[in-house]
Amino acid sequence: DTAVSQTPKYLVTQMGNDKSIKCEQNLGHDTMYWYKQDSKKFLKIMFSYNNKELIINETVPNRFSPKSPDKAHLNLHINSLELGDSAVYFCASSQDRGQGTSEQYFGPGTRLTVT
Amino acid sequence: AQSVAQPEDQVNVAEGNPLTVKCTYSVSGNPYLFWYVQYPNRGLQFLLKYITGDNLVKGSYGFEAEFNKSQTSFHLKKPSALVSDSALYFCAVRDEIAGGGNKLTFGTGTQLKVEL
Repeated sequence: DTAVSQTPKYLVTQMGNDKSIKCEQNLGHDTMYWYKQDSKKFLKIMFSYNNKELIINETVPNRFSPKSPDKAHLNLHINSLELGDSAVYFCASSQDRGQGTSEQYFGPGTRLTVT
Repeated sequence: AQSVAQPEDQVNVAEGNPLTVKCTYSVSGNPYLFWYVQYPNRGLQFLLKYITGDNLVKGSYGFEAEFNKSQTSFHLKKPSALVSDSALYFCAVRDEIAGGGNKLTFGTGTQLKVEL
């Protein structure tokens, strides 16, 4: 009955590789997000989609490309991985109807390690 | 842009004692404020939020927070701490995006350690 799920949980890869992280939510929410948490636990939004439309794209290298095939899924593809991409990536969702009053539900995270 | 500050990296408290985790905010307009908790190797869990109404907000696991407009604060509190409350706590504020949409801007987090 997981509300927001991510795969894989752990991802270890070498520099220069391309990898994807998948996210699915079964809450019926309209809005989904990707966050990056660095080694100091600082949490920063990367992207947000509302009903498959990109609405937030923070200052993120264009090696990162989100894709939302439907409103229940938001995947993150990363090209040419770099050491600095090592972090924990969280997916989240909310039923945000534009007011920003709704809480977000987070997935368990994907720990990406680039060697 | 809106922001929140968590002045303490770590808070230590004895089990059974009251706890406070501090958060101050800087916003233009009405603040929408949130508290989240992160247990080790887990995602964030929503605790409570202030949108409007009563300044004292009650949330999950016995936590509450007091919205103080004059002090621009939204401190998280619990009357009696448990060892199981030990975790990383994040304060967050709603930030509107130009052209529509909203995002959460998080504080730097406060590690709460509750000891026997």
